[in-house]
Amino acid sequence: GAVVSQHPSRVICKSGTSVKIECRSLDFQATTMFWYRQFPKKSLMLMATSNEGSKATYEQGVEKDKFLINHASLTLSTLTVTSAHPEDSSFYICSASPFLAVSTDTQYFGPGTRLTVL
Amino acid sequence: GDSVTQMEGPVTLSEEAFLTINCTYTATGYPSLFWYVQYPGEGLQLLLKATKADDKGSNKGFEATYRKETTSFHLEKGSVQVSDSAVYFCALEPSFSGGYNKLIFGAGTRLAVHP
Repeated sequence: GAVVSQHPSRVICKSGTSVKIECRSLDFQATTMFWYRQFPKKSLMLMATSNEGSKATYEQGVEKDKFLINHASLTLSTLTVTSAHPEDSSFYICSASPFLAVSTDTQYFGPGTRLTVL
Repeated sequence: GDSVTQMEGPVTLSEEAFLTINCTYTATGYPSLFWYVQYPGEGLQLLLKATKADDKGSNKGFEATYRKETTSFHLEKGSVQVSDSAVYFCALEPSFSGGYNKLIFGAGTRLAVHP
C-alpha cells in the first residue's frame, strides 16, 4: 500500500530555534498534503492544506508565519516551526492524497513527529 | 463548527472480549464518517467508513453504523485480539470541505488487549 514517511520521528530543540519536519510520499505522487498537530488527550487538529507548487491554506488560528509549509515537489512537503517555543511542543502528523484522488479514504498518513521545545 | 467526541481511554480488555468505542459528532449537513487505526510506530490507517445515514462500515471484524438520529458512529468488535491493540480515531469529512477532503478527528482512544 501507499507509504508516507516523516523525518525526524523525534526532535528536541532549544527555544528560539527553528525546526524542519519532512513528509514524503514514498511510492506515489501527492498533489495534496495535510499537516496536523495533536496535543496530549486532544483531537488531531488540521493545521494547513498544501498543494504542490502553490501556497498552503491555513486553518483559522494557525499562524502562517510561524508554521511555514513548503510543498515543492509531488513527493515532499516540509513544515518548519520558526522560533520555536515550549508551547509548540506537540505531535505533528502529515498525510498525503495521491494525484487524482477523488475520495478522503485515499489520504495516507505518516507516523508522526514528536517535537519537544526546551 | 464541526467536531468529533470519542470516549476517553485507555480501554483495557482481555482477549476475546467485546469491544465498543463510542464516537459522537456535531456537523451540519451530511458528513462522511470514518474510523482510523494507528498501530505503534505507524501512520493512521483507514479501518472503515460510512458515507450516509444507516450505512454500516465493516473491516477486519470491526463495524460501525452511521446513526444520524443520535449523531453517533460507535466502533464495535465481537472478539478482540492482542493484535488489535492500537489507538483508534473517529473522524468526519464535512459535507462541504472545499474540495480538499479535509478530515476532523476525535482525540483517539487507546485500546490495550491482554492475553
